[in-house]
Amino acid sequence: EAQVTQNPRYLITVTGKKLTVTCSQNMNHEYMSWYRQDPGLGLRQIYYSMNVEVTDKGDVPEGYKVSRKEKRNFPLILESPSPNQTSLYFCASSLSQGVGQPQHFGDGTRLSIL
Amino acid sequence: SQKIEQNSEALNIQEGKTATLTCNYTNYSPAYLQWYRQDPGRGPVFLLLIRENEKEKRKERLKVTFDTTLKQSLFHITASQPADSATYLCALDNNNDMRFGAGTRLTVKP
Repeated sequence: EAQVTQNPRYLITVTGKKLTVTCSQNMNHEYMSWYRQDPGLGLRQIYYSMNVEVTDKGDVPEGYKVSRKEKRNFPLILESPSPNQTSLYFCASSLSQGVGQPQHFGDGTRLSIL
Repeated sequence: SQKIEQNSEALNIQEGKTATLTCNYTNYSPAYLQWYRQDPGRGPVFLLLIRENEKEKRKERLKVTFDTTLKQSLFHITASQPADSATYLCALDNNNDMRFGAGTRLTVKP
């Protein structure tokens, strides 16, 4: 089954404790992206990757890091989480960027930073 | 600055009626406009795409219009059912990036 898998689905942690949210897709997609979703603000892009070893900042990259060592994986790293990073996070992938390619989303990771 | 507005946070309609959701945008020139459905606790799921040179697109009970002069897309669900209750997001794609609206939560009452 074609899917984007995120782990963990839920995490409660404390300020400053490094964490990683994993994302994996099995569709051989080149483009992958991370979003955060906050009430009233919609989905805002954090980082994206056009292909392996190519990553770039989205609209709200501060406090986050990503890497793309393999095509299927795109982990999101919070080196020193803070309470304002409490949010619902989504990983997404598509065949490529642009030309109307629909994005396939994971089921989200709800992060609470205390 | 770029702005995407979806008509309201919530829309309640009676089963069998047509639901109409609005997506307005400013300072953006999308080549494509997409609509997604999001259920509670799940990620958005792609529904329909319409290109800038298309006026209308249909898929089963769904219809999307795209007016680049008005900078507006309308999303219609005809003969609505309680199972259509969800949040619907519009997304604008200009080939460089994709931007999402905040969504409209649709509730279809039996």
